[in-house]
Amino acid sequence: ELKVEQNPLFLSMQEGKNYTIYCNYSTTSDRLYWYRQDPGKSLESLFVLLSNGAVKQEGRLMASLDTKARLSTLHITAAVHDLSATYFCAVGNKLVFGAGTILRVKS
Amino acid sequence: GAGVSQSPSNKVTEKGKDVELRCDPISGHTALYWYRQSLGQGLEFLIYFQGNSAPDKSGLPSDRFSAERTGGSVSTLTIQRTQQEDSAVYLCASSLGSYGRASDTQYFGPGTRLTVL
Repeated sequence: ELKVEQNPLFLSMQEGKNYTIYCNYSTTSDRLYWYRQDPGKSLESLFVLLSNGAVKQEGRLMASLDTKARLSTLHITAAVHDLSATYFCAVGNKLVFGAGTILRVKS
Repeated sequence: GAGVSQSPSNKVTEKGKDVELRCDPISGHTALYWYRQSLGQGLEFLIYFQGNSAPDKSGLPSDRFSAERTGGSVSTLTIQRTQQEDSAVYLCASSLGSYGRASDTQYFGPGTRLTVL
């Protein structure tokens, strides 16, 4: 059974700082997704990672995938308040989600 | 273009009643998924449709839950004899192709918040 673990589950950051969210999964998969969810809103697709070594960047967010280690990272550079949200990684075709990381960026 | 839409946005019902939740996928998307999001269980897969057929129903939690899709478009999730543990946000997603295609992103609707009293 595929299991997905994220850490940390809660992250409080100062504006301007860098941090990384980790996503580990238990069995081989050919795809990994990152989603963002704002309070009371639905899930917004951020990245699709399909191959070992894949790296994608959008603004202050960069996601990477290591299929051998079954690990994906979401790196936040110079955080700003607008990045405050819950971030989920998800693996597989019928998506198996991690528990989510609640990110709060403080001024 | 229009995204995935769901109705109603909120539904409050009494224990034991039946409810129907509706999902309108993005036009042209052949794959449709239902998920449930609750505080205790996080985000869980319920069912997947390819066209009008449902090749994967493995996430439906009990036989009180059923879903159908007609015309390769709109889908309805029905919960019979609702229980308090059914309270959750029910999310629908659609994607362009089947879930065998890794490159296909699932796009999510706004969800239906179901409260069972």
